[in-house]
Amino acid sequence: NAGVMQNPRHLVRRRGQEARLRCSPMKGHSHVYWYRQLPEEGLKFMVYLQKENIIDESGMPKERFSAEFPKEGPSILRIQQVVRGDSAAYFCASSASGGVTEAFFGQGTRLTVV
Amino acid sequence: KNEVEQSPQNLTAQEGEFITINCSYSVGISALHWLQQHPGGGIVSLFMLSSGKKKHGRLIATINIQEKHSSLHITASHPRDSAVYICAVRHYSGGGADGLTFGKGTHLIIQP
Repeated sequence: NAGVMQNPRHLVRRRGQEARLRCSPMKGHSHVYWYRQLPEEGLKFMVYLQKENIIDESGMPKERFSAEFPKEGPSILRIQQVVRGDSAAYFCASSASGGVTEAFFGQGTRLTVV
Repeated sequence: KNEVEQSPQNLTAQEGEFITINCSYSVGISALHWLQQHPGGGIVSLFMLSSGKKKHGRLIATINIQEKHSSLHITASHPRDSAVYICAVRHYSGGGADGLTFGKGTHLIIQP
């Protein structure tokens, strides 16, 4: 049973390009969380999704950022027109259900905007 | 808004020492997680607890709900324990989904 898989592990984008980050949850998990870790800062919640639904996106910037978790395939975090301030590590976690359950984290995607 | 404070921010110790990392939070929670992150690496969940104490190998986590405080202890510390240890809380949500609120982490270095 593979863990939470994120790809790519490292992503370099020029300012203005789009970044797509993928997260495949653990087998049997239908709840996905995205978190961002800025340099020298703690992790911050971005968005919580279940299959085909965004449950809570209160941590997502209002512009340029979007997330989806389709019926088939991985969850995608998309950042349009990236800026240098988007450079960070983006982590995905999955759980079997919401609420008080163990959450398993992926290895993260380190985005660098040049 | 729940604030999560960790102390110390940085800790350097000698191999074999007993390590304690503290976490305090401001409002009621349903669970608290201790996470480990190695430099450039992913995040590993060490413990999830809502009361009492849990032990796994050389790691012990305790929580005092009344005092809104948790501690992570490492016995017989080893250089491979060097990592960032992160406390995260899951607060009660009003029916919507919730994510975790994280402390800024404790940078632990164990010297041989």
